[in-house]
Amino acid sequence: DAGITQSPRHKVTETGTPVTLRCHQTENHRYMYWYRQDPGHGLRLIHYSYGVKDTDKGEVSDGYSVSRSKTEDFLLTLESATSSQTSVYFCAISEWGTDTQYFGPGTRLTVL
Amino acid sequence: AQKVTQAQTEISVVEKEDVTLDCVYETRDTTYYLFWYKQPPSGELVFLIRRNSFDEQNEISGRYSWNFQKSTSSFNFTITASQVVDSAVYFCALFSTDSWGKFQFGAGTQVVVTP
Repeated sequence: DAGITQSPRHKVTETGTPVTLRCHQTENHRYMYWYRQDPGHGLRLIHYSYGVKDTDKGEVSDGYSVSRSKTEDFLLTLESATSSQTSVYFCAISEWGTDTQYFGPGTRLTVL
Repeated sequence: AQKVTQAQTEISVVEKEDVTLDCVYETRDTTYYLFWYKQPPSGELVFLIRRNSFDEQNEISGRYSWNFQKSTSSFNFTITASQVVDSAVYFCALFSTDSWGKFQFGAGTQVVVTP
């Protein structure tokens, strides 16, 4: 158990509404990541953080923003959800950038 | 740029058969790390192994073994004497230091083990 929780675990929302997903860790790791998982694509990195208030874009960052005001929390926001953002979202943590990433349980988001 | 290819979309075997999952990677970096993760039907992602580019020694862990060959840019994974509990999607992933912080995952291989 890597001490990672995600909330909510399931969410159904409507197109155009804002959505925030939360990742919380108890390990005090420096790096945190948000991925989305879609059939045929594996996992794709949305954004990652290498410290409090330090974030960078990943492969599929359009339409997403992130914030990290505390070491333990990393928030992913969809400012105006679209149906193409229906996916399973995973948070991950690692101590260093080269380290193994450990994943949270995932959040299934459906945008109608 | 880096890339991970898992050409096998799905592999079906009968219990006790061996199954090998292929992973081919591309990177221009000389320092990189390779990973395998397992995703069972319950959905969580479970870390299996991490290897760095300077260590080509093959590894065996119980029924799992990994064959890392830099000459062919491959990091293949074999399950010996498969069991129903091995049914899952398996992902190969690459991290190279010229893409700091960014894992590149393959598309995954679904393994189905039937009794």
